[in-house]
Amino acid sequence: DTAVSQTPKYLVTQMGNDKSIKCEQNLGHDTMYWYKQDSKKFLKIMFSYNNKELIINETVPNRFSPKSPDKAHLNLHINSLELGDSAVYFCASSQETDYGYTFGSGTRLTVV
Amino acid sequence: AQSVTQPDIHITVSEGASLELRCNYSYGATPYLFWYVQSPGQGLQLLLKYFSGDTLVQGIKGFEAEFKRSQSSFNLRKPSVHWSDAAEYFCAVGNGQGGSEKLVFGKGTKLTVNP
Repeated sequence: DTAVSQTPKYLVTQMGNDKSIKCEQNLGHDTMYWYKQDSKKFLKIMFSYNNKELIINETVPNRFSPKSPDKAHLNLHINSLELGDSAVYFCASSQETDYGYTFGSGTRLTVV
Repeated sequence: AQSVTQPDIHITVSEGASLELRCNYSYGATPYLFWYVQSPGQGLQLLLKYFSGDTLVQGIKGFEAEFKRSQSSFNLRKPSVHWSDAAEYFCAVGNGQGGSEKLVFGKGTKLTVNP
């Protein structure tokens, strides 16, 4: 069983489109995250949700909107996609009584 | 704010040789430190972590890391590298707020293993 699963794995789309990436975790963790990994492999946090409540919101364009329907799911919706949004987006989860994340396998977004 | 420096962008070792990957952190409080490995096209897998206790921590796949507060370092080591260890390695520091933990990552060290 996959602990943190993301869909789709690959996403190619044109500039200006709107797209969503979905994430689900079956670990029973309370907190979920979105990270962006750029072309130089640098990982930067975007958002964090704890039990459906937004707790970390880094400096991210408001074209990016996370949504957490329940604590096992955290989706990322991106409006008006730009070339610079091309990256690998990782979902992760963690538990309050433990430290460190469990990562999904990533979604490679390519904007053309 | 916390930060992490991995001074080596790329390291090449021969199979069977020992390995040490360097990591220096900056954080005002007690750091929560992690090493992750990323194989090509894969997500990140946790190798080991430190937040208290013995400063030498053992991880998976034969890796270990030593926390040295005086040097603000958390270097990763392996006595004998296998070809399958070729990957990107990331050091990270966390704020220890379990339910709202923010991990800050270094820029990674790419490990190449020669046969």
